[in-house]
Amino acid sequence: GEDVEQSLFLSVREGDSSVINCTYTDSSSTYLYWYKQEPGAGLQLLTYIFSNMDMKQDQRLTVLLNKKDKHLSLRIADTQTGDSAIYFCAESNYGGSQGNLIFGKGTKLSVKP
Amino acid sequence: DAMVIQNPRYQVTQFGKPVTLSCSQTLNHNVMYWYQQKSSQAPKLLFHYYDKDFNNEADTPDNFQSRRPNTSFCFLDIRSPGLGDAAMYLCATSRDRAAVNQPQHFGDGTRLSIL
Repeated sequence: GEDVEQSLFLSVREGDSSVINCTYTDSSSTYLYWYKQEPGAGLQLLTYIFSNMDMKQDQRLTVLLNKKDKHLSLRIADTQTGDSAIYFCAESNYGGSQGNLIFGKGTKLSVKP
Repeated sequence: DAMVIQNPRYQVTQFGKPVTLSCSQTLNHNVMYWYQQKSSQAPKLLFHYYDKDFNNEADTPDNFQSRRPNTSFCFLDIRSPGLGDAAMYLCATSRDRAAVNQPQHFGDGTRLSIL
């Protein structure tokens, strides 16, 4: 079956880089997403990567995909206190789950001043 | 401007008393989703509508129902809420069901408490 795994917690100092890791099991995954959830709020799409890419950069965010190892990471450069939130990795595939998202349990990022 | 709007943000109901949560969207998207998210857990898909076509997940309890009277609105009805149904309920939309470059857009959620 489909499964997405993430470490639950990450703590960094303001100004450092944060790297949040994710592994998935479905080799037919088409798109992989990163969502951010602030306390008491819904999920905000941060970025996504198509499975035929190995890197995508968007301002302070860099997504790396190792398709062979089914490993996805999100790097946040110059982490700010406003980046403190829960980050969810999610995958979908075109056919198997009808495009529905399979989420990991989320990584809680704490940024210390 | 909010594009997926959920009302209310916080809902309190009594054990066994029916409750309805509301979601509206201004994106004119074909697909609307309802997720349940319990504390420290991933969102879990309950069901989705592709236009008027209702798609229930296999493990969604019968206690949960949904209605989509038009493109813009979708409702989640919980017929007899139990204590285990206390959670954040998230509504999302996407232009099409397939994942091709059409990510899901989420509302801010309704936090449901059961007394």
